[in-house]
Amino acid sequence: QKEVEQNSGPLSVPEGAIASLNCTYSDRGSQSFFWYRQYSGKSPELIMSIYSNGDKEDGRFTAQLNKASQYVSLLIRDSQPSDSATYLCAVTHEKTGTASKLTFGTGTRLQVTL
Amino acid sequence: SAVISQKPSRDICQRGTSLTIQCQVDSQVTMMFWYRQQPGQSLTLIATANQGSEATYESGFVIDKFPISRPNLTFSTLTVSNMSPEDSSIYLCSAAHKANTEAFFGQGTRLTVV
Repeated sequence: QKEVEQNSGPLSVPEGAIASLNCTYSDRGSQSFFWYRQYSGKSPELIMSIYSNGDKEDGRFTAQLNKASQYVSLLIRDSQPSDSATYLCAVTHEKTGTASKLTFGTGTRLQVTL
Repeated sequence: SAVISQKPSRDICQRGTSLTIQCQVDSQVTMMFWYRQQPGQSLTLIATANQGSEATYESGFVIDKFPISRPNLTFSTLTVSNMSPEDSSIYLCSAAHKANTEAFFGQGTRLTVV
């Protein structure tokens, strides 16, 4: 079982719709959760972080975390063509915090269509 | 956030040679990491660069092949030694101010070994 799992997609949504991206993780000790956006040929760009159960909103983005079910999701409202990218879920799982290395999922490719 | 400068941005190297990639952060950071991203794949952690001591390598990566230095809290280097075509990949430097907090990425080094 992979430590962090994502549907590779592509996930296709029309412009203006809500895109829902999901991620599950296997380590119950995971502490911190991140969503990165990666455009083709570019490096990952952090868009959201979430550390506790519930929702966290930032502009058009909402991250949702459910530790009991071991999943984290990202909602993108009013999707725009510029949102078309690969979205990477990443988690840390070092309880001591001495080496907060990120484990990445394989990413979900999002396509926002006109 | 942190601004991370990585160089070179790309290089084409002959097999059997070595390449050193530099990573400079605009502020002192606790954590620095090196990742590899092969075409169409997600990010794989190579090692955690520890300031003033030997790097911590992940399974499948060894110091002889990927020596890492971190002389201070803002700078690190990764060397890819005795390169083969299988080393062709994007290498990414990452940094975080504190453990289990947001990590940011440099623009990456696209390495092609011929």
